[in-house]
Amino acid sequence: NAGVTQTPKFRILKIGQSMTLQCTQDMNHNYMYWYRQDPGMGLKLIYYSVGAGITDKGEVPNGYNVSRSTTEDFPLRLELAAPSQTSVYFCATGTATYEQYFGPGTRLTVT
Amino acid sequence: KNEVEQSPQNLTAQEGEFITINCSYSVGISALHWLQQHPGGGIVSLFMLSSGKKKHGRLIATINIQEKHSSLHITASHPRDSAVYICAGRPNTGNQFYFGTGTSLTVIP
Repeated sequence: NAGVTQTPKFRILKIGQSMTLQCTQDMNHNYMYWYRQDPGMGLKLIYYSVGAGITDKGEVPNGYNVSRSTTEDFPLRLELAAPSQTSVYFCATGTATYEQYFGPGTRLTVT
Repeated sequence: KNEVEQSPQNLTAQEGEFITINCSYSVGISALHWLQQHPGGGIVSLFMLSSGKKKHGRLIATINIQEKHSSLHITASHPRDSAVYICAGRPNTGNQFYFGTGTSLTVIP
């Protein structure tokens, strides 16, 4: 089992560009999350999903969008990238008892 | 103010020492998650607990829900334990976790 996979691992964007961060899981977990981790800060929740077709905003959703058409995939879309979105992005899945399993992360730089 | 506070922020220990990392929270939570983040960045789940104590190898996690406090202990620490340890509380309502900023542990041979 691959667990939770994220692509790409690294990306550099210019201000105003858009991109999609991919997240795929083969654990059949209903819960999926997108977090960002800034230096010296705790993980912040961007969006989450409790199942296919259901998504909801987290603590810092501005500038991002998500969709969840299947149990396996939970892509995160950045529109009009800004320097403030430079961060490390983690996708995670969650079990029914809320234990979370994290992907390897995507390091994004916006210049 | 963060809903979840960890202490200490940084910790250096000699190999073999007993280590304690503390996590306190200001909101009511139903469960607490301890995570380990390796120097390469990957995040691994260590424990999920809502009461009492759990043990896995040299790691022990305890929680007192009423006192809003949890501890992570590492016995016979080893340099491979060097990592950032993160606690996260799941509130009684809602689907979000509140994350601490992490404790950076370095174990010196």
